[in-house]
Amino acid sequence: DVKVTQSSRYLVKRTGEKVFLECVQDMDHENMFWYRQDPGLGLRLIYFSYDVKMKEKGDIPEGYSVSREKKERFSLILESASTNQTSMYLCASSLPTPGLKSYEQYFGPGTRLTVT
Amino acid sequence: LAKTTQPISMDSYEGQEVNITCSHNNIATNDYITWYQQFPSQGPRFIIQGYKTKVTNEVASLFIPADRKSSTLSLPRVSLSDTAVYYCLVGFAERGAGSYQLTFGKGTKLSVIP
Repeated sequence: DVKVTQSSRYLVKRTGEKVFLECVQDMDHENMFWYRQDPGLGLRLIYFSYDVKMKEKGDIPEGYSVSREKKERFSLILESASTNQTSMYLCASSLPTPGLKSYEQYFGPGTRLTVT
Repeated sequence: LAKTTQPISMDSYEGQEVNITCSHNNIATNDYITWYQQFPSQGPRFIIQGYKTKVTNEVASLFIPADRKSSTLSLPRVSLSDTAVYYCLVGFAERGAGSYQLTFGKGTKLSVIP
């Protein structure tokens, strides 16, 4: 079974703090993703990475950065946390789809971040 | 981006067939359509994926008309454990393209009633 793990299920941080959310997958997937999920808004893509050190912006990259130094690990960084970044953060991974636009992502359990 | 629209919520009795439709009017030629299921406090889980016509697996069927501007997830004989949020996803994320086309719908909350 594909396993995607996230470093914390719940996290409470203060405004202005630098926050690191870690995601690890064990299936040697090339693609990894970070989403945030808010009531009424569904899942919105923050960043995705298709290879080590490679990244692409998603719908809502402002206020976030990412790091992928190893294939299995994808980190989401909130440079200076703000209250409007209180949300559920979901990491996902998938195989690459060269030439075919199909998509099957495997998600982690999520990290509920509260910024006070 | 291919915008997707789904009903916000649906109710169904146990044992009934449930059909959830997702509208994606500007779907691109190469886009696949994927459906996910999400239970509270869990990440979404893949259910089914298709490109055109009909796809069936052990848990669901996916119907896609010829114009591909919509898709319908069909859950046969639902049980209480099917109570969840269902998302459709259209598009792809292409490496090196400097862009992406990947849009989740806002989800349909299905409540199964005993």
